[in-house]
Amino acid sequence: ELQLVQSGAEVKKPGESLKISCQGTGYSFSNYWVAWVRQMPGQGLEWMGSVYIGDSDAKYSPSFQGQVTISADKSLNIAYLHWNSLKASDTARYYCARAISYCSISTCYTMDVWGQGTTVTV
Amino acid sequence: QSALTQPPSASGSPGQSVTISCTGTSSDVGGYNYVSWYQQHPGKAPKLMIYEVTKRPSGVPDRFSGSKSGNTASLTVSGLQADDEADYYCSSYAGRNTWVFGGGTKLTVL
Repeated sequence: ELQLVQSGAEVKKPGESLKISCQGTGYSFSNYWVAWVRQMPGQGLEWMGSVYIGDSDAKYSPSFQGQVTISADKSLNIAYLHWNSLKASDTARYYCARAISYCSISTCYTMDVWGQGTTVTV
Repeated sequence: QSALTQPPSASGSPGQSVTISCTGTSSDVGGYNYVSWYQQHPGKAPKLMIYEVTKRPSGVPDRFSGSKSGNTASLTVSGLQADDEADYYCSSYAGRNTWVFGGGTKLTVL
């Protein structure tokens, strides 16, 4: 079964660092992009950036460039979202999703598998 | 890269149809036939309902349909059911492995 499993909820203080993770199972994780999506309390979804697991190439939304670092470990099938210095405004639920950037028989340019979300409270 | 524009709310009675719009620009919605729609129930992860403007993943009822004209995409939910009450988000591919979401629409089944 295709699954993205995210790390557990975090409670941190302003200024602390944090790295949350997203592990893929049931498919060739390294052949795909993984997107990170922020959802602040009571708000909508925001694409933060994506990482290609195979070579760790990362793309960022201009709104998040320089604010977070997105990386991956191909050997562990894990994508990461990292903050050097958290702010209260980083309080949100963060989702990872498999981002398909091509067309195949079954899907085309979409985010088809989502993790369960990680709540970060600062 | 601005968010796509969706109405904040929509509503309909059981059995009726409702359409939610999603307006972008020629750099996203208008430039690619790669609009997706996601359903999100409270406290749950988003679920893909429509991709490539009109296509439904396996398991999504055909009561859900999508369309696009110019820079505006639409999601229509026909035969509204109680469980359709949720937040709906559109998203568009915006080139070079970048994406943009809409602000979301809260669908209420009256």
